[in-house]
Amino acid sequence: GENVGLHLPTLSVQEGDNSIINCAYSNSASDYFIWYKQESGKGPQFIIDIRSNMDKRQGQRVTVLLNKTVKHLSLQIAATQPGDSAVYFCAEKISGGYNKLIFGAGTRLAVHP
Amino acid sequence: NAGVMQNPRHLVRRRGQEARLRCSPVKGHSHVYWYRQLPEEGLKFMVYLQKENIIDESGMPKERFSAEFPKEGPSILRIQQVVRGDSAAYFCASSPGTGGFTDTQYFGPGTRLTVL
Repeated sequence: GENVGLHLPTLSVQEGDNSIINCAYSNSASDYFIWYKQESGKGPQFIIDIRSNMDKRQGQRVTVLLNKTVKHLSLQIAATQPGDSAVYFCAEKISGGYNKLIFGAGTRLAVHP
Repeated sequence: NAGVMQNPRHLVRRRGQEARLRCSPVKGHSHVYWYRQLPEEGLKFMVYLQKENIIDESGMPKERFSAEFPKEGPSILRIQQVVRGDSAAYFCASSPGTGGFTDTQYFGPGTRLTVL
């Protein structure tokens, strides 16, 4: 659903560790999901996407998992690097809802050396 | 290989003035979207346009806000008689319009509007 929040949740990890960022969505009719990375002062950058007929998709150092039963999406980043520090948003597209994206509230990832 | 271009990057207006935000999509993309982002929040959809057509404006406030994507030139988001609550970052995205629901949207750097 629509995001509401005054402060973003923060995930702090050590450089080299794996990161897992979670997202819950509310609309059962959503059939396409995307993860975006947003660095300070910049626009969202596409990371990886997944269709609702899949439960896992892998990219370079990133994996997205989709659990439609509990309406949950996660982004796994392997060997997290300082350059991964940013705010991460999941976004969903509803079947038949034109092309508009509905964004989650976001999670701030802080990578410590 | 230019991405989505937005200008100005920063815009300061006094209450009651007009704000015009411009967006040039990725070359070859025919679909444009506008989103608004408040600090520490996710982006909220405003409007979806194709050349000379508004496809979905369900996120646009009914008053003072308008958007266009003419046959030639950039897409324009226009805010009339701005109020302090309009202060936000406005992002434009474009997609190739392949027709599939995985039509990926690529975002510009945003325009940060400050209303004094």
